[in-house]
Amino acid sequence: EIVLTQSPGTLSLSPGERAALSCRASQSVNSNYLAWYQQKPGQAPRLLIYGASRRATGIPDRFSGSGSGTDFTLTISRLEPEDFAVYYCQQYGNSPLYTFGQGTKLEIK
Amino acid sequence: EVHLVESGGGLLKPGGSLRLSCAGSGFTFSNAWMNWVRQAPGKGLEWVGRIKSKPDGETIDYAAPVKGRFTISRDDSKHTVDLQMNSLKTEDTAVYYCATGLWLDGWGQGTTVTVSS
Repeated sequence: EIVLTQSPGTLSLSPGERAALSCRASQSVNSNYLAWYQQKPGQAPRLLIYGASRRATGIPDRFSGSGSGTDFTLTISRLEPEDFAVYYCQQYGNSPLYTFGQGTKLEIK
Repeated sequence: EVHLVESGGGLLKPGGSLRLSCAGSGFTFSNAWMNWVRQAPGKGLEWVGRIKSKPDGETIDYAAPVKGRFTISRDDSKHTVDLQMNSLKTEDTAVYYCATGLWLDGWGQGTTVTVSS
């Protein structure tokens, strides 16, 4: 079973700063099948990035994804107040069919 | 715009059964792969299962913790996907979301299931 480990668990930054969130897989992931989601309190998750680096519809270009193999990164170039949330990486295709990381909480410093 | 609405959540005792439903609109439901994802209180996301579209064989896959207890079905004429949950355990307590597509690009608001004695 593939395990996705996200780091850090919590990231404290200020608006305007750059955020880099890491997602490491226990075995190689097809980068075509790596996604990132944002979840705010009391809300459903929202797809940000799919295929490791493709922005979903309506996602601002300050969000970008990169990586391959076992190491992937979500970068937010300049944090806006609405970006403070929990972020999950997710892979598709290995058993189980979908696996999520445990999440990174991005909080205001 | 994708719009998904879950219903059917509630409070029940271990060993009980419950049927959740998700109604979709704003997209071609019959072509959509539909997923169920859950989130236990204060925890992360956990995929529950998925049903493909009929053109893609209507294949159904389940996560190991629910396999044999949960059943996913769809009714394309009603634009609904259901999750029948049997032999419920306390660890099934969660908000249950339906989500559409390979990339889970559309989500409902969730429905809460609480299993407690």
